[in-house]
Amino acid sequence: RKEVEQDPGPFNVPEGATVAFNCTYSNSASQSFFWYRQDCRKEPKLLMSVYSSGNEDGRFTAQLNRASQYISLLIRDSKLSDSATYLCVVMDSSYKLIFGSGTRLLVRP
Amino acid sequence: DTGVSQDPRHKITKRGQNVTFRCDPISEHNRLYWYRQTLGQGPEFLTYFQNEAQLEKSRLLSDRFSAERPKGSFSTLEIQRTEQGDSAMYLCASSPGQISEQYFGPGTRLTVT
Repeated sequence: RKEVEQDPGPFNVPEGATVAFNCTYSNSASQSFFWYRQDCRKEPKLLMSVYSSGNEDGRFTAQLNRASQYISLLIRDSKLSDSATYLCVVMDSSYKLIFGSGTRLLVRP
Repeated sequence: DTGVSQDPRHKITKRGQNVTFRCDPISEHNRLYWYRQTLGQGPEFLTYFQNEAQLEKSRLLSDRFSAERPKGSFSTLEIQRTEQGDSAMYLCASSPGQISEQYFGPGTRLTVT
């Protein structure tokens, strides 16, 4: 079983749609949680950290459920420029990042 | 540009050759990480440094791989006797502290023919 599991997608949605991605992690000792965005053949870029209380950044909302070991990302009012792969990332007890395989999002006009 | 930089951006080499990649982290970031990413997968941890000390190495890092960060600033990753299975994107990241976010460089794409 992978340490961080995500639905690979692709999620194909129209502009303006709301889309949600989920992720589960296996190590209950995980320290911190993040969503990274990766465009094709580019490096991962930090989208947002994920806090237990939930946090929002513009159209993006992240939630963490430590009891269920579950992380989510909600994107509202999708834009064409949101098309990318979204990587769920967990920091383990030795402070290195463990990445999921990514969920691919395609936003169509 | 004050981000993480990596050199070269692309490297094509023949099987059996040695290659070396360089990473320059963001200034004053004391932690530097190397990851490897293959198509359709997320990046996988290889090794990391705190200042000049190499603190952890993944089992992915065979004895053909060696990494250094001699003065606690830039780092190099060397692969000896390259194999086709080494073809991947090699990513470097830096962070200012243990639990801080990590910022990635553009990567070095290695192709072993």
